[in-house]
Amino acid sequence: QQQVKQSPQSLIVQKGGISIINCAYENTAFDYFPWYQQFPGKGPALLIAIRPDVSEKKEGRFTISFNKSAKQFSLHIMDSQPGDSATYFCAASPGGFKTIFGAGTRLFVKA
Amino acid sequence: DGGITQSPKYLFRKEGQNVTLSCEQNLNHDAMYWYRQDPGQGLRLIYYSQIVNDFQKGDIAEGYSVSREKKESFPLTVTSAQKNPTAFYLCASSVGGGSYEQYFGPGTRLTVT
Repeated sequence: QQQVKQSPQSLIVQKGGISIINCAYENTAFDYFPWYQQFPGKGPALLIAIRPDVSEKKEGRFTISFNKSAKQFSLHIMDSQPGDSATYFCAASPGGFKTIFGAGTRLFVKA
Repeated sequence: DGGITQSPKYLFRKEGQNVTLSCEQNLNHDAMYWYRQDPGQGLRLIYYSQIVNDFQKGDIAEGYSVSREKKESFPLTVTSAQKNPTAFYLCASSVGGGSYEQYFGPGTRLTVT
């Protein structure tokens, strides 16, 4: 299966709160799991990425948690800010030249 | 400044016309990609190219064509055979394959009426 299932479709969080976006996959051949952030009218940009040999990766306020046995990974945004309001895509790649993207989560952080 | 440029930002065409979207990169990347983005569907791969003069179909190649005559350029033609061409089109490049960061251009919004 080549799908990556992402939830929720949209998310509203208060400023200073924690935003959590979840993704699940079925293909055990995936070996690279990036998260991309996209602002309206712009192209996506890599936010943070993880490989399956680690269970967590943190960069500033952004953390990826990875559960290999459950085939799930999630993005946590700590101390969410209005400037974090964007669409977030999880993705997975089995190597090669194909990357499978989730459907996206529209995050709105209320000031 | 290194990056990817796509032009134009907005494109309007009549049904039945072919249209070519431009994508240029100065990152010296070997791999280039075209994605289509529709609301609620994420990014879907149209074509990708690993190297000059080589390209492969992605998941939704029907009705599209590409060329890769130069490392820097990967134009996409949306043909009249594409049944539902109105979408946001994104070009990307990467150093290597899928396990590397993809750098995206700003996109072209195509509207066909």
